[in-house]
Amino acid sequence: DTAVSQTPKYLVTQMGNDKSIKCEQNLGHDTMYWYKQDSKKFLKIMFSYNNKELIINETVPNRFSPKSPDKAHLNLHINSLELGDSAVYFCASSQDLPRQVRGYTFGSGTRLTVV
Amino acid sequence: AQSVTQPDIHITVSEGASLELRCNYSYGATPYLFWYVQSPGQGLQLLLKYFSGDTLVQGIKGFEAEFKRSQSSFNLRKPSVHWSDAAEYFCAVAPNTNAGKSTFGDGTTLTVKP
Repeated sequence: DTAVSQTPKYLVTQMGNDKSIKCEQNLGHDTMYWYKQDSKKFLKIMFSYNNKELIINETVPNRFSPKSPDKAHLNLHINSLELGDSAVYFCASSQDLPRQVRGYTFGSGTRLTVV
Repeated sequence: AQSVTQPDIHITVSEGASLELRCNYSYGATPYLFWYVQSPGQGLQLLLKYFSGDTLVQGIKGFEAEFKRSQSSFNLRKPSVHWSDAAEYFCAVAPNTNAGKSTFGDGTTLTVKP
């Protein structure tokens, strides 16, 4: 039943490791996003994909690489993890048509802790 | 580029009291505007949205918001707050050319006193 699901919910890892976070949506939306929420709860967009095509790529270290195998999935791979990558990462999806703006549906987040 | 400001970092209200959370935006035209709520340990949930038409919009959980073009504001209101409303509230703005590219405010933490 979950509309936007992320796995894992919690991720604790050592500096220098490589990790992935997976996201899947069953809403039939065309667009998916990754947002980062820091310890002060500030939300910043990282990436956006529309029908598997990258459309937003904000200033994010190239250690972060999104992958969208199909429009229902958007995964986030992070290489060489650093302490500053510790945050909550949210996946979201949307289906906005002309004159039908619906906003985002968010996943419940992945809390990444780098030690 | 658009931007959004939530002037109040933290607001405390008593249960049953009315609530108003402020949101100001900067954008050259009428943007798309949203309010989201984030309960502890949860993702964000859309409360309401505005993109055209009636400037007073109704949302879920008894919330409403009013778009005021002259003040570049989109304040969130609720006439009577419940303890379960304690959460983080985010205002977001997106350009009217790309509803998908939302910029979020820094959030307002709402505490509800018994």
